[in-house]
Amino acid sequence: DTAVSQTPKYLVTQMGNDKSIKCEQNLGHDTMYWYKQDSKKFLKIMFSYNNKELIINETVPNRFSPKSPDKAHLNLHINSLELGDSAVYFCASSQDRGIGGYTFGSGTRLTVV
Amino acid sequence: GESVGLHLPTLSVQEGDNSIINCAYSNSASDYFIWYKQESGKGPQFIIDIRSNMDKRQGQRVTVLLNKTVKHLSLQIAATQPGDSAVYFCAETGGLTQGGSEKLVFGKGTKLTVNP
Repeated sequence: DTAVSQTPKYLVTQMGNDKSIKCEQNLGHDTMYWYKQDSKKFLKIMFSYNNKELIINETVPNRFSPKSPDKAHLNLHINSLELGDSAVYFCASSQDRGIGGYTFGSGTRLTVV
Repeated sequence: GESVGLHLPTLSVQEGDNSIINCAYSNSASDYFIWYKQESGKGPQFIIDIRSNMDKRQGQRVTVLLNKTVKHLSLQIAATQPGDSAVYFCAETGGLTQGGSEKLVFGKGTKLTVNP
C-alpha cells in the first residue's frame, strides 16, 4: 500500500482550464500539505491542513483552492490554469507537528500548454 | 524573511568516497532540521533529522552535523554508492517549540552524482 498517493501522476492541459489533483494518505496522520516544485527543483509549501482545518496558506493565487473532506484526503483544485502553473505538485502528510518528517507522495507533473 | 540555502548546487564523487553536502539556514528560531533525498521522478524521502539541542546525529551511512552558531547544517554520506545519486535537500522548521512555525522550509537542493 502506498502511504501517500496522489493522482494523476501526469496532467497536461490547456491554459484557462480547471483541473484537480487528489491526494490520500493511509498513515493516520493529522496534517497534510501541498508543495510546489519548480523547474529548478525548489520546493515551496502552498497549503497545510490539520484535521480538515486550514492552518497554512502561503501567498498562493486564489485560483488554487485546497479541499479536505476528511483528514486522510487533501485535494487541490486549480481554476483558470496559466503557463506559470506548470510544475510538479507534491502532497505530503505528517504527525506531531512534522517531527519525524513529512511523508511525500510521488508527485503530479502538471504541464499547461 | 527565512531562507534555507545550499552552498553547492552540484557534487560529483567517485564510488566509495565520502560525500559532504552543506546547507546554510537563516531562521534562528528553527529547532528541527531534516535531510531529504529525491530521486528522479519521485517525491522527497526522509533520510535523517536532528533537533537543535544536538550537534551530531548518525544513521546507517549518514551523519548530520548542526552548527547553530553559524547556522550551518551538513550531511555526510560514507562510502557513497551509485544508488546515492539524487538531489538532496535540507529543510528546517520551528515545530518543536510550542507556538513555533511548523512549516517545513526547504533549501534549494544539491545534485549528487556518484561515478562508478
